Amino acid sequence: QQQVKQSPQSLIVQKGGISIINCAYENTAFDYFPWYQQFPGKGPALLIAIRPDVSEKKEGRFTISFNKSAKQFSLHIMDSQPGDSATYFCAATAAGNKLTFGGGTRVLVKP
Amino acid sequence: GAVVSQHPSRVICKSGTSVKIECRSLDFQATTMFWYRQFPKQSLMLMATSNEGSKATYEQGVEKDKFLINHASLTLSTLTVTSAHPEDSSFYICSAKDRGPDTQYFGPGTRLTVL
Repeated sequence: QQQVKQSPQSLIVQKGGISIINCAYENTAFDYFPWYQQFPGKGPALLIAIRPDVSEKKEGRFTISFNKSAKQFSLHIMDSQPGDSATYFCAATAAGNKLTFGGGTRVLVKP
Repeated sequence: GAVVSQHPSRVICKSGTSVKIECRSLDFQATTMFWYRQFPKQSLMLMATSNEGSKATYEQGVEKDKFLINHASLTLSTLTVTSAHPEDSSFYICSAKDRGPDTQYFGPGTRLTVL
């Protein structure tokens, strides 16, 4: 019930392409869905977040799409750059409690 | 804003010794702090949740007598790994949130190596 499933595990995209990462959840009590970016040897950094009353949120080249009925949400990285090469984690929380993380997606952007 | 620091960034210790890791929220008051453990190429595993002035809540399977957590102030939480063994070697990351939004802000992590 607490699990968040993330796919794919890894992704290779050419510079300028679109990276798409998908997450699915089961717990309908989740009400906040952040995405984190993590570089090797560093802590995760908040990238963008969404609440279920919104279907899409865009910040710069990063867009979250949210489908409440399907219990799915995704991260789109437009115009992917080599500097975007990192591991991305989706997460979910209910009422500000502990985060439940997805398994992570390692993104490699080739120049 | 919303900066969380950790100290030390890396530590190497001998088996049987204890190691203390500090987590500080630099520009906000953290009513709740979380401690995670991360193995290579894996996701973050929540170890415990600590609220200022109260005992930490440990996740199932985490030994509370081995991983001592203290959240003495609104800006500082500490994790002490007692009698560390090589299997405790890992990347330890803290996060913090204030009373308002649900956002957790993460520290840079501490790499612990137990010889």
